[in-house]
Amino acid sequence: DARVTQTPRHKVTEMGQEVTMRCQPILGHNTVFWYRQTMMQGLELLAYFRNRAPLDDSGMPKDRFSAEMPDATLATLKIQPSEPRDSAVYFCASGSRGLVFPSGANVLTFGAGSRLTVL
Amino acid sequence: QKEVEQNSGPLSVPEGAIASLNCTYSDRVSQSFFWYRQYSGKSPELIMSIYSNGDKEDGRFTAQLNKASQYVSLLIRDSQPSDSATYLCAVMSGANSKLTFGKGITLSVRP
Repeated sequence: DARVTQTPRHKVTEMGQEVTMRCQPILGHNTVFWYRQTMMQGLELLAYFRNRAPLDDSGMPKDRFSAEMPDATLATLKIQPSEPRDSAVYFCASGSRGLVFPSGANVLTFGAGSRLTVL
Repeated sequence: QKEVEQNSGPLSVPEGAIASLNCTYSDRVSQSFFWYRQYSGKSPELIMSIYSNGDKEDGRFTAQLNKASQYVSLLIRDSQPSDSATYLCAVMSGANSKLTFGKGITLSVRP
């Protein structure tokens, strides 16, 4: 059963530390989304990629967040320095443009999420 | 105005009733519309998709889309306690197929 793999599942760190979250998309999927979920804001889109190229990262605080896809099997989201307000669950989701639905529609499969707590 | 809005809820219905979940969106040229279900502590999972005006039925679920009014809804017939979860509306728009979610509505089905 194909799935999106995220690591770490849980991370507790202190303010000011660097945090790196990793995502392995489903093999063959060419689109990767990063979302952040909190009770107050719900699911917020941070950045997304197609064929490893960034399409939109307007939802991401540029001064401390960065997202990359060094290769087709790995997407990373880095926070440096981390702050308590970054505490949230970070989801990675992958999809394949044109799969099943009308051309252009992404069917996204979500990873289990990385729960980040910044003290 | 937020791009995708859902009634804040929570919504509570008795077992066997119809649950009606609503969503509005701001981008008139949005292309595709999705409903995801998220159980507590789990990740969202896709349950329905719809792209053209009208109704789409899948088992106990019916998605409804009205592009002129910019709303999409989800009906759950014969609600079961196992349907208790948060339901997220998602809208795809733009040339790059950006997928934006609403904040979700929590449904509780009382036995």
